[in-house]
Amino acid sequence: DAGVIQSPRHEVTEMGQEVTLRCKPISGHDYLFWYRQTMMRGLELLIYFNNNVPIDDSGMPEDRFSAKMPNASFSTLKIQPSEPRDSAVYFCASSLVAGTDTQYFGPGTRLTVL
Amino acid sequence: KNQVEQSPQSLIILEGKNCTLQCNYTVSPFSNLRWYKQDTGRGPVSLTIMTFSENTKSNGRYTATLDADTKQSSLHITASQLSDSASYICVVSANSNYQLIWGAGTKLIIKP
Repeated sequence: DAGVIQSPRHEVTEMGQEVTLRCKPISGHDYLFWYRQTMMRGLELLIYFNNNVPIDDSGMPEDRFSAKMPNASFSTLKIQPSEPRDSAVYFCASSLVAGTDTQYFGPGTRLTVL
Repeated sequence: KNQVEQSPQSLIILEGKNCTLQCNYTVSPFSNLRWYKQDTGRGPVSLTIMTFSENTKSNGRYTATLDADTKQSSLHITASQLSDSASYICVVSANSNYQLIWGAGTKLIIKP
């Protein structure tokens, strides 16, 4: 298996623009997670899905952020409009089940908002 | 409040030496504790996972211990190698939901 795939790996955009980050989880994994990592705050869970359904989006910072999972093999995280404080590395992770199962992380998307 | 604290914040050791990283948590009810390794520019990779009843778990040169009474865990690295240079993150899961509480990590640098 290729592991969790994320695209793009790097994104540089200007304030106010729409940004879409993409994720393909490991085949057969029922759970998908979106995280944000910054030096100041470390890793933060934004939202997670179970069987394509959003379960907990309490970590989404504000209405500018939205996430979708139209099918079991694809998810997007959208920021509209983007702001400089959104600059971070965004990780997607997937796992077979919740609880004791290991989450497998993608390589991340480094987002820079100018 | 559920929290995970790690120490030291950063550590520099010589190649071949051993080291121990610490993790203290105040998470209740406790479900499991994981250690992840994160290389620069990459996503975290799981090293070990321990439930309440497990005291120790090894993964090659990495050995994690858990004391559920004192709510402490440690990660011991034996005979360090240059490739061990990374951030090591302690993560605790609570029973109530699937929220993982992530520590800030320890940045380990191995020098030749």
